[in-house]
Amino acid sequence: NAGVTQTPKFRVLKTGQSMTLLCAQDMNHEYMYWYRQDPGMGLRLIHYSVGEGTTAKGEVPDGYNVSRLKKQNFLLGLESAAPSQTSVYFCASSRDRENSPLHFGNGTRLTVT
Amino acid sequence: AQSVTQLDSHVSVSEGTPVLLRCNYSSSYSPSLFWYVQHPNKGLQLLLKYTSAATLVKGINGFEAEFKKSETSFHLTKPSAHMSDAAEYFCVVSVMNTGFQKLVFGTGTRLLVSP
Repeated sequence: NAGVTQTPKFRVLKTGQSMTLLCAQDMNHEYMYWYRQDPGMGLRLIHYSVGEGTTAKGEVPDGYNVSRLKKQNFLLGLESAAPSQTSVYFCASSRDRENSPLHFGNGTRLTVT
Repeated sequence: AQSVTQLDSHVSVSEGTPVLLRCNYSSSYSPSLFWYVQHPNKGLQLLLKYTSAATLVKGINGFEAEFKKSETSFHLTKPSAHMSDAAEYFCVVSVMNTGFQKLVFGTGTRLLVSP
């Protein structure tokens, strides 16, 4: 049982380049999330989805887009990368909205030069 | 607004001694609270959660936390530290926002365990 899988694990981009981070979960969870983790700041929610075909903004959505075309996949896109987007990105999923625990992937370390 | 404050950025203990990681929260409502652990180069894993049942919550790996409303605290404890407990720990408060559970993360406490 793989749980939540993120690809790639590492990536280096130049300013202005684009990329897509892929998240896949095999637990049939309705809810999926993208977070970024920066030193001394905890985790901050970028975007989330409450079901297939839905997306919503979190607390730091600027510069990112997401799509949830299939229930098991949640994609995070950077259209024009900036050095401020250097971070570790985590995908998570949960069964429902009422205090069910989040299951996290192992993260993607992104560096934008 | 709901928030959570982890009072120590780093805690160092010796193997076999007790662990105390401190967390204070601010919430307008009766909160749900969580502790997550993150080992190096891994995602976060749920240790335990409080959802208005018993105030003393037991989690995995011998950890427990006590919800104290009068002190607005949710400190994490373990009687005896193991080397494998070295990790970063996050206190989290749950906020219901337009019908959606939003989690507010603390900034984390790094636990160092020495032999």
